[in-house]
Amino acid sequence: EDQVTQSPEALRLQEGESSSLNCSYTVSGLRGLFWYRQDPGKGPEFLFTLYSAGEEKEKERLKATLTKKESFLHITAPKPEDSATYLCAVLGIQGAQKLVFGQGTRLTINP
Amino acid sequence: NAGVMQNPRHLVRRRGQEARLRCSPMKGHSHVYWYRQLPEEGLKFMVYLQKENIIDESGMPKERFSAEFPKEGPSILRIQQVVRGDSAAYFCASSRPNRAITEAFFGQGTRLTVV
Repeated sequence: EDQVTQSPEALRLQEGESSSLNCSYTVSGLRGLFWYRQDPGKGPEFLFTLYSAGEEKEKERLKATLTKKESFLHITAPKPEDSATYLCAVLGIQGAQKLVFGQGTRLTINP
Repeated sequence: NAGVMQNPRHLVRRRGQEARLRCSPMKGHSHVYWYRQLPEEGLKFMVYLQKENIIDESGMPKERFSAEFPKEGPSILRIQQVVRGDSAAYFCASSRPNRAITEAFFGQGTRLTVV
């Protein structure tokens, strides 16, 4: 069974303090690893898809990387508006069209 | 270009009542996916539908839950005889036929509270 574990559950940073969020996964053949941002009371907002180990993608202050066992979401010099819950999900070969999500990391950036 | 529209945004039902959640996909999208987010838990897959077809309902509870996506109109997730444990946020996502879940967009969700 495909599984995703995110750590830490919650992270509090000062504005400008860079850090990384971790997503560890086990999957029966990875078709894609996804990062989403979710604000309170809202739906998940797509950020990145990574398909193979070694791949990296960037968007503003966010950079996602992928290895065969985990993915990192690096946040550089974050701002208060980056505060949100960040969700990681995998799509495996046996999963058809089913994304398997982790529980998320709740990120708070203090001004 | 409107996004995925879900309504109502909030729904309160008494135990034993029926809940109907609606999802209108983005224009040009014919694939719909429903996910449930229980308090303090991650999103869980429920069902994948195409127009007039249920493709994968392996995540749906065996009883009381059903889903449809008719030729015309929104996709409907129906929960009969709701219980307190059904209280959750229900999210719908949609995608184009040739992109499927890898390029799906989520709606804002319907938050169901059973009292």
